[in-house]
Amino acid sequence: QVHLVQSGSELKKPGASVKVSCKASGYIFTTYAINWVRQAPGQGPEWMGWISTNTGNPTYAQGFTGRFVFSLDTSVNTAYLEISSLKAEDTAVYYCARVPEYSGGGPIFGYWGQGTLVTVSS
Amino acid sequence: EIVLTQSPVTLSLSPGERATLSCRASQSVSSNYLGWHQQKPGQAPRLLIYGASSRAPGIPDRFSGSGSGTDFTLTISRLEPEDFAVYYCHRYGSSHTFGQGTKLEI
Repeated sequence: QVHLVQSGSELKKPGASVKVSCKASGYIFTTYAINWVRQAPGQGPEWMGWISTNTGNPTYAQGFTGRFVFSLDTSVNTAYLEISSLKAEDTAVYYCARVPEYSGGGPIFGYWGQGTLVTVSS
Repeated sequence: EIVLTQSPVTLSLSPGERATLSCRASQSVSSNYLGWHQQKPGQAPRLLIYGASSRAPGIPDRFSGSGSGTDFTLTISRLEPEDFAVYYCHRYGSSHTFGQGTKLEI
């Protein structure tokens, strides 16, 4: 059974950095990319980009370049999202997500992590 | 970038009633790559529908999706108490966009 388990909530000050983890189990980690999605309070989800778990190559969506870094540690089946120079507007729940086996080729998100709340406040 | 507009913003209904949620895209959605997710407070989204009309495994058949091009609909035929939640449409492909959601309330 596929599971994506994320690290716990974080409270950070403006200007600090945070690293969120997403540990995968129940499948061969390198066969499916990991996507990252942000959901600000009261808002709809927003796609941040994805990382190939095969090559480690990241792709960032518009608005998520510069301060956002996707990385992997394939030895522990874990993907990471690091955000630097945190701002108050980065306060959100961050999700990792994966395409399901049954999607028929389209990259819909069928598996989601439980989410990690990052709060940026002085 | 394709923008998804959901309507209504809030839908107030009672258990047993039929719910119809709309999602309109600013441009045609290729390959019908349109899905619907349900989200309850404090939980991650849950995939209901993909490919505009295919139910994800384990999703009850009271949930159905339809539409093509720029206009898509999620229908819940007979509302159960556990169906009251926020619903998001999701256009996927080489990039992804989500609607702003419809809150289905009692």
